[in-house]
Amino acid sequence: NAGVTQTPKFRVLKTGQSMTLLCAQDMNHEYMYWYRQDPGMGLRLIHYSVGEGTTAKGEVPDGYNVSRLKKQNFLLGLESAAPSQTSVYFCASSYLYEQFFGPGTRLTVL
Amino acid sequence: GQQVMQIPQYQHVQEGEDFTTYCNSSTTLSNIQWYKQRPGGHPVFLIQLVKSGEVKKQKRLTFQFGEAKKNSSLHITATQTTDVGTYFCAFAFSGTYKYIFGTGTRLKVLA
Repeated sequence: NAGVTQTPKFRVLKTGQSMTLLCAQDMNHEYMYWYRQDPGMGLRLIHYSVGEGTTAKGEVPDGYNVSRLKKQNFLLGLESAAPSQTSVYFCASSYLYEQFFGPGTRLTVL
Repeated sequence: GQQVMQIPQYQHVQEGEDFTTYCNSSTTLSNIQWYKQRPGGHPVFLIQLVKSGEVKKQKRLTFQFGEAKKNSSLHITATQTTDVGTYFCAFAFSGTYKYIFGTGTRLKVLA
């Protein structure tokens, strides 16, 4: 079992560029989450999904879109990247309340 | 909006000393979780508490949920260098999977 994997591990974007972060889990979990982590801010929930085909807004959803077309995948999109979106992005999945986190994606927007 | 405050923000202890971090909310929580994140790593789930006054132990770690369900604590007895990392509390809004994390307490253990 790979658990939760994230692609890519690192990325540098220019302001205005778009990109998609991929999260995949092989644990057959219903629930999936996208967080961002900034120094001194802890983790903040961007969007989450309670099942295939469903998504919901978290604490800081602006500037991001998500899709959950397949149960095992949860995609996070940035349509027009801004420097304020420079952060480490973590994906997580859960069966019930215990969240399993991926290794993270470090994104820098110049 | 509903949030949790964690104190202290940083804590340096000598190896063998005890450590406690606190998580406080202004409103009643339906549950509280604790996670540990090693430097450069990802958060790892430690435990969830749901009952008023609940106390759970994992080896040297003791977790408490306050009687009013507005605060929680994580206590580590006789810290070791392997305890280094940031400890986060988190809760989900009742009936949802929308989680809010505290800002964390960074623990450094001096050998």
